Amino acid sequence: ELQLVESGGGLVQPGRSLRLSCTASGFTFGDYVMSWVRQAPGKGLELVAFIRIKAYGETAEYAASVKGRFTVSRDDSNSIAYLQMDSLKTEDTAVYYCTRGLRISGDVFDIWGQGTMVTVSS
Amino acid sequence: EIVLTQSPGTLSLSPGERATLFCRASQSVYTNYLAWYQQKPGQAPRLLIYGIFSRATGIPDRFSGSGSGTDFTLTISRLEPEDFALYYCQQYGDTRWSFGQGTKLEIK
Repeated sequence: ELQLVESGGGLVQPGRSLRLSCTASGFTFGDYVMSWVRQAPGKGLELVAFIRIKAYGETAEYAASVKGRFTVSRDDSNSIAYLQMDSLKTEDTAVYYCTRGLRISGDVFDIWGQGTMVTVSS
Repeated sequence: EIVLTQSPGTLSLSPGERATLFCRASQSVYTNYLAWYQQKPGQAPRLLIYGIFSRATGIPDRFSGSGSGTDFTLTISRLEPEDFALYYCQQYGDTRWSFGQGTKLEIK
């Protein structure tokens, strides 16, 4: 079964850090672009970051709202994607979904995890 | 960044009826790279349609996509009870992918 399972969410104070993990199973992880999409409470979807496959240098792209604060990485040997979130702000409060890219460019999200809630509050 | 505007905000219909959801882009979507997702309360979104027309794996054929340029449509030919949910469009023709704000399809 194709599956993504996120972990690492929780309550954190503004300015602190948190690392999210996404463990994949049921497919060859290293063949796919992996992305993080978030959804603030009662709001729509926002692409946060994505990381390309090894053949494309594992390069990453970020939304303007998180650039310089968030870092996405991947461990293909263990089928895990990470999202390191530093200098967190209250507006980062959201459910964070890990997604798999259907196409080589990673831009259509065909598999989604169940999401992990991140709450940034003092 | 291409801004996607979905309409209507809320659509109230009955099971068995036909639903038509719209997504308008602020500029032409390159190569018609547009997708649709369905999200039910408390669940992650699910890919329905990509490349305007192509249904994702396991999506029933009552779901269909159409459109070009700046105007796109998701049609559900005959609503089933499980189709009442939130629907989002997404463009990926621009280097900065973006989502619409969503249309809520509710039972009348």
